[in-house]
Amino acid sequence: QVQLVESGGGVVQPGRSLRLSCAASGFTFSNYVMHWVRQAPGKGLEWVAVIWYDGSNKYYADSVKGRFTISRDNSKNTLYLEMSSLRVEDTAVYYCARTDGLDYWGQGTLVTVSS
Amino acid sequence: DIIMTQTPLSSPVTLGQPASISCRSSQSLVHSDGNTYLTWLQQRPGQPPRLLIYRISNRFSGVPDRFSGSGAGTDFTLKISRVEAEDVGVYYCTQSTQFPRTFGQGTKVEIK
Repeated sequence: QVQLVESGGGVVQPGRSLRLSCAASGFTFSNYVMHWVRQAPGKGLEWVAVIWYDGSNKYYADSVKGRFTISRDNSKNTLYLEMSSLRVEDTAVYYCARTDGLDYWGQGTLVTVSS
Repeated sequence: DIIMTQTPLSSPVTLGQPASISCRSSQSLVHSDGNTYLTWLQQRPGQPPRLLIYRISNRFSGVPDRFSGSGAGTDFTLKISRVEAEDVGVYYCTQSTQFPRTFGQGTKVEIK
């Protein structure tokens, strides 16, 4: 069955960096577009970034452009989100989700940016 | 950016009664390929979101048939024919016709 497992979250100070991972299994990872979506505590969903099947195209929300980098390693069936210059407002649960239909989601990993 | 506006933001419903959520986009969601990429998600308390409906009216695998989607262009509706206790949660519409992908604010469905 399709499984997405995020990891890498934690507490980090403003201005620091963090890398999130999303391990995929149960499907041919290299065939699918992948997204990162985040949810601040008690708030709604906010799209963060998307990466094409082969990594050839990447798009970002304006709120993270220039600070976050999405990437993937199809040989390891893993999606990444490199986050730098973190701000307090980046505090959220970060989910990875499969394809433009967002048909499968991971359980999420919590990132807390606080001094 | 396409703005997605949901109404109502809160919907208290009696068990067994219908519920309806409206989603309006600030511009047409018809893609150049002719498809309309409007999706409905359900998020139960403490859970990640789950896909319910894609491309306006297509139920995802395992979604009960009491859920239905309709609409066109800029106006869309999610209906629950008879609300059950397990339907409590927040429902989001989202569009993937154009980047950036955007979500509605969410509609909280709760039992009266």
